[in-house]
Amino acid sequence: QSALSQPASVSGSPGQSITISCTGTGNDVGGYDYVSWFQQHPGKAPKLIIYDVTNRPSGISHRFSASKSGNTASLTISGLQAEDEAAYYCSSYTSSSTLVFGGGTDLTVL
Amino acid sequence: QVQLVQSGAEVKKPESSVKVSCKASGGTLKDFTLSWVRQVPGQGLEWMGGIIPRFGTANYAQKFRDRVKITADESTSIVHMELSSLRSEDTAVYYCAGDNNVYGSGNTLDVWGKGTTVIISS
Repeated sequence: QSALSQPASVSGSPGQSITISCTGTGNDVGGYDYVSWFQQHPGKAPKLIIYDVTNRPSGISHRFSASKSGNTASLTISGLQAEDEAAYYCSSYTSSSTLVFGGGTDLTVL
Repeated sequence: QVQLVQSGAEVKKPESSVKVSCKASGGTLKDFTLSWVRQVPGQGLEWMGGIIPRFGTANYAQKFRDRVKITADESTSIVHMELSSLRSEDTAVYYCAGDNNVYGSGNTLDVWGKGTTVIISS
């Protein structure tokens, strides 16, 4: 199972919006509505920010939203804030009943 | 809210094995699907395998299938991950993470341990 494909890095200025893509195949992202997104600050454990493609866990800001089209899922962060600077990972359930992560995207807030 | 408490850091020699544990604090693991995720220094997250303690069924990523074993002791709410034939590339932080739904995909990993550092060195 190959890792899902994410851009290595993205950047944006405070207040702007950015979008991170996550591309898989019909055997993972495209085949199931089980895509999650995680935020990870340096030295910390990952934190779930989106599950089941579009859902936010309790306590997660409405500035985080996500969607999916075909084999590509996307995470959008609006109204960028300095605290959003972190690594972001997507993950998906697969046809082998396993999970697979994306390679991760480093977000820089300029 | 259940917290996941992991065992302490380990230093192991190549070709040996390591066993990392993950215990539920403030609750039980019987309602969770537990995954093990590792992160090699400077790299991304990698799913190794998972288990549903209530049913005892484990599933593994193909990459680790020959070397990893995940077991659960429901009575003590502890899950173990044992990785064998260690090599330097296995130096990483190993996380346990839980999805509070035994009938779902296992991908809603909303509870994470703090990670266990495993260093492989001769």
